[in-house]
Amino acid sequence: GQNIDQPTEMTATEGAIVQINCTYQTSGFNGLFWYQQHAGEAPTFLSYNVLDGLEEKGRFSSFLSRSKGYSYLLLKELQMKDSASYLCAVNAGGSYIPTFGRGTSLIVHP
Amino acid sequence: ETGVTQTPRHLVMGMTNKKSLKCEQHLGHNAMYWYKQSAKKPLELMFVYNFKEQTENNSVPSRFSPECPNSSHLFLHLHTLQPEDSALYLCASSPTRDSTDTQYFGPGTRLTVL
Repeated sequence: GQNIDQPTEMTATEGAIVQINCTYQTSGFNGLFWYQQHAGEAPTFLSYNVLDGLEEKGRFSSFLSRSKGYSYLLLKELQMKDSASYLCAVNAGGSYIPTFGRGTSLIVHP
Repeated sequence: ETGVTQTPRHLVMGMTNKKSLKCEQHLGHNAMYWYKQSAKKPLELMFVYNFKEQTENNSVPSRFSPECPNSSHLFLHLHTLQPEDSALYLCASSPTRDSTDTQYFGPGTRLTVL
């Protein structure tokens, strides 16, 4: 089976940097997604990592280490609007359907 | 706005009612999905349709009945639900079923079963 683990909740201060970790144990690996979901809204795509390393997109970066079964989402210059749930999802094995983690609720305070 | 719409946004129903959830995507995608999102739990895949054909039924109880009349529309028919079925039901679409395709989600229907 697939197991994806991420912290339930994190808090951070506006303007700071926060790192949200995701670890996974899966049968095979095809890629890892990060989604952002504001309360009452649709999850929206942030990033997709297939190869090891860091991918940067503006204030958001995503890192992957396949050998360690580990990824993180790095958010810089935090803004209040970044308060949301961040979902890690892994495509593994022969499945084309990603398996989602429980999500990390990030609270940004002034 | 992701290009995927869902109606209604909120639904309260009794255990003996019959209701339907509707999803529509304006993205020209060929694959559509139903997910259930409960508090403190991961997103649970329910059904997958590809070119209008159902390709996945993730052991979902028969009180949930999907329908896909065309590649743009997806329905979830509900009957004799239980209180534990209360959750956020999300629809998603993707260009194909390829594992690298990003899924685009609708805003969800918040369902409460009394």
